[in-house]
Amino acid sequence: DIQMTQSPSAMSASVGDRVTITCRASQGISNYLAWFQQKPGKVPKRLIYAASSLQSGVPSRFSGSGSGTEFTLTISSLQPEDFATYYCLQHSTYPHSFGQGTKLEIK
Amino acid sequence: EVQLVESGGGLVKPGGSLRLSCAASGFTFSSYSMNWVRQAPGKGLEWVSSISSSSSYIYYADSVKGRFTISRDNAKNSLYLQMNSLRAEDTAVYYCARGTRVGETPFDYWGQGTLVTVSS
Repeated sequence: DIQMTQSPSAMSASVGDRVTITCRASQGISNYLAWFQQKPGKVPKRLIYAASSLQSGVPSRFSGSGSGTEFTLTISSLQPEDFATYYCLQHSTYPHSFGQGTKLEIK
Repeated sequence: EVQLVESGGGLVKPGGSLRLSCAASGFTFSSYSMNWVRQAPGKGLEWVSSISSSSSYIYYADSVKGRFTISRDNAKNSLYLQMNSLRAEDTAVYYCARGTRVGETPFDYWGQGTLVTVSS
């Protein structure tokens, strides 16, 4: 089974900061990776698919990169509405697996 | 507009059973694989199960294998999750999420979730 190790598990940042979240796969997954944002009590929302493609309607300050085993989600300039928990998901093989999440809090 | 609406959650005793449903609309349901994902209170997301468009391929997380059964009825545009031998650790919000068809990527649409509570 593929393990997804996401880091950091939590972080605090300020509005306007550039933030990077990393996911590492225990084996190569090509670009079969998605990033999700989840706010408390809400449904997960897909931000990035195929590792680097921006979901329609998602602000361009979000970007994804990587292939193989190392992936990053970058928020170029944090906005107040971006404080949430972020998850990566590999869907290269079964069982699919999520990272453990990164809780992004206001500094 | 794509819509996924789960139902069937509730309170059940350990060892009991529950059947979740997910009603799909706004897309050609029979062309897509489908998924169940769950989230225990205060915890992260956990993939539970997937089923291919024609039900030919079915996959489960080890944590539910042998206890949960995923199925679908393409004529009714519906996805199901039969949960047996429920345990306290199955307590979670259960989401259905759209899968793939050729040329597309999965987990683009999610339902609002249905809460399953396993407690005596």
